Amino acid sequence: DQQVKQNSPSLSVQEGRISILNCDYTNSMFDYFLWYKKYPAEGPTFLISISSIKDKNEDGRFTVFLNKSAKHLSLHIVPSQPGDSAVYFCAATPNAGGTSYGKLTFGQGTILTVHP
Amino acid sequence: DVKVTQSSRYLVKRTGEKVFLECVQDMDHENMFWYRQDPGLGLRLIYFSYDVKMKEKGDIPEGYSVSREKKERFSLILESASTNQTSMYLCASSLPGLNIQYFGAGTRLSVL
Repeated sequence: DQQVKQNSPSLSVQEGRISILNCDYTNSMFDYFLWYKKYPAEGPTFLISISSIKDKNEDGRFTVFLNKSAKHLSLHIVPSQPGDSAVYFCAATPNAGGTSYGKLTFGQGTILTVHP
Repeated sequence: DVKVTQSSRYLVKRTGEKVFLECVQDMDHENMFWYRQDPGLGLRLIYFSYDVKMKEKGDIPEGYSVSREKKERFSLILESASTNQTSMYLCASSLPGLNIQYFGAGTRLSVL
């Protein structure tokens, strides 16, 4: 049972344009969401996160939007750069309670290719 | 900077061998995790540990065990490697109460 889903395996974007990566979740207990970026032969690195008390979080070129009613989040990259080409994973966790031990549930990943 | 080091980048093992994957973190993190990454399946949690000698099963623990004798080191053990355990293995660590996990570079294991 895939509780976090990234339904687009790949996305191709022109340099300078917007990249939009999508993620859906089914578990209503999830209340903290993260995006990770992974280059080949490297481990995932944290990119940006959002708590369920917010609907938007921005960090430079990266913005994450959360729609709780639709159980959907998206990552916007503006403007996209060739160096952004990587696999992007969304992840979710039930933040409250202290018993989750920081366990994350990951989506399948989306391969982003930004063409010069 | 947090550093999570996995001892091997590439490993080739034979079916039936006992395999040890080692992970060390240098930031005194209580939580440590082992994932495997497979195409189309994302990262799936195998085991995690929230303290020395403490361990919990993740989503896919079958065929694996773990050991955490020291806070900085978390080992993943394949008791009898099988071809379906060919995968990229990723170790991560985090502080309690914080959700950001820091990952090692991964070990690509091939079981022949």
